[in-house]
Amino acid sequence: DGGITQSPKYLFRKEGQNVTLSCEQNLNHDAMYWYRQDPGQGLRLIYYSQIVNDFQKGDIAEGYSVSREKKESFPLTVTSAQKNPTAFYLCASINRGQGRNEQFFGPGTRLTVL
Amino acid sequence: GEDVEQSLFLSVREGDSSVINCTYTDSSSTYLYWYKQEPGAGLQLLTYIFSNMDMKQDQRLTVLLNKKDKHLSLRIADTQTGDSAIYFCAEDQGYQKVTFGTGTKLQVIP
Repeated sequence: DGGITQSPKYLFRKEGQNVTLSCEQNLNHDAMYWYRQDPGQGLRLIYYSQIVNDFQKGDIAEGYSVSREKKESFPLTVTSAQKNPTAFYLCASINRGQGRNEQFFGPGTRLTVL
Repeated sequence: GEDVEQSLFLSVREGDSSVINCTYTDSSSTYLYWYKQEPGAGLQLLTYIFSNMDMKQDQRLTVLLNKKDKHLSLRIADTQTGDSAIYFCAEDQGYQKVTFGTGTKLQVIP
């Protein structure tokens, strides 16, 4: 079945460490996205990539980095520069069928800083 | 920038109708979406409406769009306990840019 996978589901990080969250899709979608979700704040866009080897900052990119070496993969690194990284992270890709930007989401990764 | 606004919480009794409201920001948005998020999971697309429509019905779901007021609503008829989730509206501003609302947590009381 086609879909988006994220791993791990739960991740614990010590202060000062970088961690990388995985996102893989087999939907053949060009565009991929990373969102951060905090209670009562909805989804905030971290980074997005419309094509391989290209990505743009979203609204809250500081303290995060991404790469897009393959169409299927869009990993997110949470660096030690991110002051408040504890959150639920969601990866998505877009199907532009019929002119709509319909987003498909992965199951999410919950990151906790100890 | 401006936020897509939703009320944070809604509580209804099982069998009643639920109405979740959303105020969006961009009058040129082409599509408006409703997504559902169950606890600890990603978002799933429930339904969408094209901006030149006023209403769309899909089984128990009815979407109403007031483009003049930039107001979108989702009505769930005969609400069930399985409908308990967070509901997000989202506006499609083109160029693969989608802005999400703050989410409304729906609690269904048995």
